[in-house]
Amino acid sequence: EAGVAQSPRYKIIEKRQSVAFWCNPISGHATLYWYQQILGQGPKLLIQFQNNGVVDDSQLPKDRFSAERLKGVDSTLKIQPAKLEDSAVYLCASSMITGMRTEAFFGQGTRLTVV
Amino acid sequence: SQQGEEDPQALSIQEGENATMNCSYKTSINNLQWYRQNSGRGLVHLILIRSNEREKHSGRLRVTLDTSKKSSSLLITASRAADTASYFCATAGSARQLTFGSGTQLTVLP
Repeated sequence: EAGVAQSPRYKIIEKRQSVAFWCNPISGHATLYWYQQILGQGPKLLIQFQNNGVVDDSQLPKDRFSAERLKGVDSTLKIQPAKLEDSAVYLCASSMITGMRTEAFFGQGTRLTVV
Repeated sequence: SQQGEEDPQALSIQEGENATMNCSYKTSINNLQWYRQNSGRGLVHLILIRSNEREKHSGRLRVTLDTSKKSSSLLITASRAADTASYFCATAGSARQLTFGSGTQLTVLP
């Protein structure tokens, strides 16, 4: 079974620039998560999709962050414009919707450095 | 916001010893999960315990859950150098949100 794919693995941008991350979840997984993990901290949920609908985006800084999940499969997360404090690893995860099987499968993440 | 808080923040033990990590959370849950993260990598799911379960085993892992105290513990027995990683608890709510704690950094010395 193929895992969660994320790209790029690394990205360095200057502050006020824009950046986009891409995620392809495991086939058949209806739930998709984007997390932000700052060095030394636990992952913080930015947005959760169920198919192509948003379940929770309460911690997404909507003035600069946006995310979409077209056709309920792939997803992109965009930051525009980036700030220094956005430097972090952005993790995408997916999980099945049926029953109590809610364990999430994570991609390798995209390490973003804003200079 | 972080739902869970792990304790201790860092733990260093000798190979062969047992490692115990604790997690406390604030709101009601459907289940609680533990994940491992090796440096620079994504998180890997270890074990899930449902809110109506009290204890669960998987290989060298033992997880307990006390919903009255809103706490869980992860025990790794006979630790190995390869167990060196960060360990996170995550709580799953009714809408399947997964909320992670701040993690315990475990170092197993050979």
